[in-house]
Amino acid sequence: DAMVIQNPRYQVTQFGKPVTLSCSQTLNHNVMYWYQQKSSQAPKLLFHYYDKDFNNEADTPDNFQSRRPNTSFCFLDIRSPGLGDAAMYLCATSSPSGYSYNEQFFGPGTRLTVL
Amino acid sequence: AQSVTQLDSHVSVSEGTPVLLRCNYSSSYSPSLFWYVQHPNKGLQLLLKYTSAATLVKGINGFEAEFKKSETSFHLTKPSAHMSDAAEYFCVVAGFGNEKLTFGTGTRLTIIP
Repeated sequence: DAMVIQNPRYQVTQFGKPVTLSCSQTLNHNVMYWYQQKSSQAPKLLFHYYDKDFNNEADTPDNFQSRRPNTSFCFLDIRSPGLGDAAMYLCATSSPSGYSYNEQFFGPGTRLTVL
Repeated sequence: AQSVTQLDSHVSVSEGTPVLLRCNYSSSYSPSLFWYVQHPNKGLQLLLKYTSAATLVKGINGFEAEFKKSETSFHLTKPSAHMSDAAEYFCVVAGFGNEKLTFGTGTRLTIIP
């Protein structure tokens, strides 16, 4: 089945130690998104790629970076994680080529713990 | 600009009784509207979507929602709640030509045995 895959599902890192979260998709969608979701809150968009074009949200801290080496993969890099970065990180994809192009397909998420 | 308001942060219903989760939206253009469900420690799953076709939209697991332009509402309903429906539900709006979504704050649905 076509899907959005996130690895790892659970990640533990130390305060200040860089961490990379991975997302891959078999949907061949143009757009890939990264969201941060804290407990009992709605997902918050960090940034998204429209093909190779990177679109950063105005309030996304510089500590968060992203790479998209090809259509299938997208990475979230947290350069110096703080305790406040502990959250669920969700990857999503969408395709602008269809009628309902703005529907997003979500991965299962990576739960990040910062010690 | 677009926004969405979920009127209840928490809803509790008994198993077998109807479910109503309320959502009002605001959009400058004809919107696309979605309901997503999130079970604990899981990603978001699309329940149903409205994209300017039929105003009564049927989704998965017996859920449906009705788009009412005059009331700017998109309430989610289910005739009979099941224990497996316990989850967080998000009402989401997307504006025309906009690849970004605007989320409501979520409604936690609790099912009482």
